[in-house]
Formats: sequence, structure tokens, C-alpha cells
Amino acid sequence: DIQMTQSPSSLSASVGDRVTITCQATPGINDYINWYQQKPGKAPKLLIYDASILQTGVPSRFSGSASETEFTFTISSLQPEDIGTYYCQQFDNLLTWTFGQGTKVEIK
Amino acid sequence: QMQLVESGGGVVQPGESLRLSCAASGFSFSDYGMHWVRQAPGKGLEWVAFIRFDGSNKYYADSVKGRLTISRDNIKNTLDLQMNSLRVEDTAVYYCARDQLNWRSGGHYMDVWGKGTTVTVSS
Repeated sequence: DIQMTQSPSSLSASVGDRVTITCQATPGINDYINWYQQKPGKAPKLLIYDASILQTGVPSRFSGSASETEFTFTISSLQPEDIGTYYCQQFDNLLTWTFGQGTKVEIK
Repeated sequence: QMQLVESGGGVVQPGESLRLSCAASGFSFSDYGMHWVRQAPGKGLEWVAFIRFDGSNKYYADSVKGRLTISRDNIKNTLDLQMNSLRVEDTAVYYCARDQLNWRSGGHYMDVWGKGTTVTVSS
């Protein structure tokens, strides 16, 4: 089974700050990490797929990158509308999907 | 406009059954695999099940294998989740989501989501 460790579990930052979230994935699975944003009471929204590709219509302040087993999600300049919980997600070759534990982002 | 609308949620007792549905519109439903994803109160997202575009293969999380069954009707453009032998821990908001396959990379991602339907299992 895929093991995904997402950190931090929560963070508080000021408007304009750079925010970084990481996911440690099971080595050797694949690079297909996706990132979702969920606002309170709403459905998740896809932001980044295949580790670094920005979904159509998503602001360019959101980005993703990958190293061997660590995947990074960045908000270059935090905006008030970015509050919510962010999840990483990976799938394996047996076609099962796993979400990270989530990171709750708040404005300081 | 692409849309997914879930229905069928409710309150049931442990051991009972429930059937959820997801109605798709605004895209060619029969071209896409589909997922069910759930979220227990105050918890994170949990993938539940996936069905290929033609219904030929189905995949399940270990936590629901043998109790929940995903199916689809490509004529009616609907996705279903038959939930049997429900447990208290199945209490959650259930979302349906469209699977998008990046043909160049082989990656899968969920690009269209419904608003969810709530299932409560309680005695």
C-alpha cells in the first residue's frame, strides 16, 4: 500500500508570505502526485496534477515540484482566499488512490 | 457546464443498506472513469472506489471491499454506490469525482467533483 506523510498538519501565515507543504511518498511508486484545495463545507478542487502541472484556471501563485520521494506544494504569495485545507494524493499501479492527511492553512 | 450531482444519502442503522447515485452532465460520461471519495466528520479525504469508463474493472479501498459496490449506467449517465452492511465508521460525506487520465504521462487525477451527499450510520 502507498504510504503518504503530509506536513505540516496546519500552518498560519501572513498575507503575501510564501507557504510550502510537503508530502513524503512511498519510494518507487510513481511521480503522479496531485494537489487539491478544500474550503470549509465545499468539495475538493484540483490545483496541481502530475506533481507540477497547473490545472486550467488555477492562479499561477500555486506550484508543485518533485524530488525522489518528496513532493512540494508552494503558494508563492498567500492570499486571503487561499484559506482551507490542502491534500496531496497519489495512486499506485494497482489503481488504488491515497490522500495525505491534509494541511490546514490559516491567515495570521 | 460539467456537473456531478450526488443523491441518496440519509440516516441508517448499522447493518442496513443504502444506495447513492451521482448524475453527470455537461461532458461525455461514457469516456471517463469515475470515483467515489468520502470524508468523515472533521477528518480528511478517503478514496473509496473507482470504475473504468466502460465498467469493465472496479477497484476498492480495503476498508470497503465486500460491502460497497460501485457501478455505472452509461445510457443514463449515472454512477452508483451500493452500500451494504453499513458500519458507524462509514458515516461521511460521499463525493463522486471524474477521473482524468493524462495519456502522455499515465497519471490519473480527479478534475470534476460533486458537492457530496451525507451518510450517517447510527443506532
